[in-house]
Amino acid sequence: DVKVTQSSRYLVKRTGEKVFLECVQDMDHENMFWYRQDPGLGLRLIYFSYDVKMKEKGDIPEGYSVSREKKERFSLILESASTNQTSMYLCALQSGSYEQYFGPGTRLTVT
Amino acid sequence: GNSVTQMEGPVTLSEEAFLTINCTYTATGYPSLFWYVQYPGEGLQLLLKATKADDKGSNKGFEATYRKETTSFHLEKGSVQVSDSAVYFCALSLSSGSARQLTFGSGTQLTVLP
Repeated sequence: DVKVTQSSRYLVKRTGEKVFLECVQDMDHENMFWYRQDPGLGLRLIYFSYDVKMKEKGDIPEGYSVSREKKERFSLILESASTNQTSMYLCALQSGSYEQYFGPGTRLTVT
Repeated sequence: GNSVTQMEGPVTLSEEAFLTINCTYTATGYPSLFWYVQYPGEGLQLLLKATKADDKGSNKGFEATYRKETTSFHLEKGSVQVSDSAVYFCALSLSSGSARQLTFGSGTQLTVLP
């Protein structure tokens, strides 16, 4: 079974803090994705990575950056957290048949 | 651009009722289509998929048929159970540069009452 692990299930941060969300896979998949999920808006793609050190912006990259130094780890970074970044963050990886497998999510609250 | 439109929820049904959740899409090219399910407190799980026109995806009693002529991929189940209570997302996938991105609908909350 494909396993996608996210570092925290719940996180509370203050406005202006730098926040790191970690995602780790136990397979050798190239493509990894970060989404945010908000009520009524579904999932929106923030960034994705197709190999080590390779990344592309998704639909809503503003206020976020990413890091992929090793194949198994894909990090989402909020340089200066704001209250409008309070959300559920989901990491996913893509298999060879183009299905995506999701982690359990991190619910981030910025106060 | 590509988009997915789902019927708005929430949907509330009694156990053993018939379920339909409508999904239509707009895409350039020939997408693959997916239904994902999210149980409370969890991430999304792939429920079923179809990769070309007239394909039928099925899993756990759920079915959906890829209808190119109506650009639809409606989810159906003949007899729902309380354990089917979850949020259901329709999605499409098209090649875009270096990876196949998913475009999601807004999700439909289903509650099944005993």
